[in-house]
Amino acid sequence: GDQVEQSPSALSLHEGTDSALRCNFTTTMRSVQWFRQNSRGSLISLFYLASGTKENGRLKSAFDSKERRYSTLHIRDAQLEDSGTYFCAAELPNSGTYQRFGTGTKLQVVP
Amino acid sequence: GALVYQYPRRTICKSGTSMRMECQAVGFQATSVAWYRQSPQKTFELIALSTVNSAIKYEQNFTQEKFPISHPNLSFSSMTVLNAYLEDRGLYLCGARNENTEVFFGKGTRLTVV
Repeated sequence: GDQVEQSPSALSLHEGTDSALRCNFTTTMRSVQWFRQNSRGSLISLFYLASGTKENGRLKSAFDSKERRYSTLHIRDAQLEDSGTYFCAAELPNSGTYQRFGTGTKLQVVP
Repeated sequence: GALVYQYPRRTICKSGTSMRMECQAVGFQATSVAWYRQSPQKTFELIALSTVNSAIKYEQNFTQEKFPISHPNLSFSSMTVLNAYLEDRGLYLCGARNENTEVFFGKGTRLTVV
């Protein structure tokens, strides 16, 4: 069954506001990676986490280190250029496995 | 830095014909390469995972007969879509990594079937 549940599926934010995206995993994952897909389809890697948190500018991501069953992506002070579709991808804790993608969050930032 | 070049970026093929796409890893050794397809308005489905010195593992609904993959060395992989039909259209992505590290993705090959 589906192992990566991403929410919300769509989100509209006013410029300057904050929000969070979330991925829940039906089983323990080894790592998680967050991406933004731009209008041309390219995936831009935002964060790769094996545990803990990472921050880059207005973006911050966390991966639950204890049970390893969810991850969040926080967007602070949203800007128009943050618009796009965000995906999380998680990897099972077995060697040689691949990443399973969430269903994506379509984010629109409006003035 | 680590990069993955994927080409062609876009391709159009006639129904029933085949097309090949390629990925080149630069700046790291691609010990494993995963090929994904994103159909219109959907998420990324894994087609197959190729690990050097191991057999290529195909996901359910995808076969070697339809999507043959080559991964001859630590910097290159290719995949062919054989006998393409309308349902094969979408964005194809390769993701490469060295052991248990971050996955680096190419920019994708957008396939249109006419």
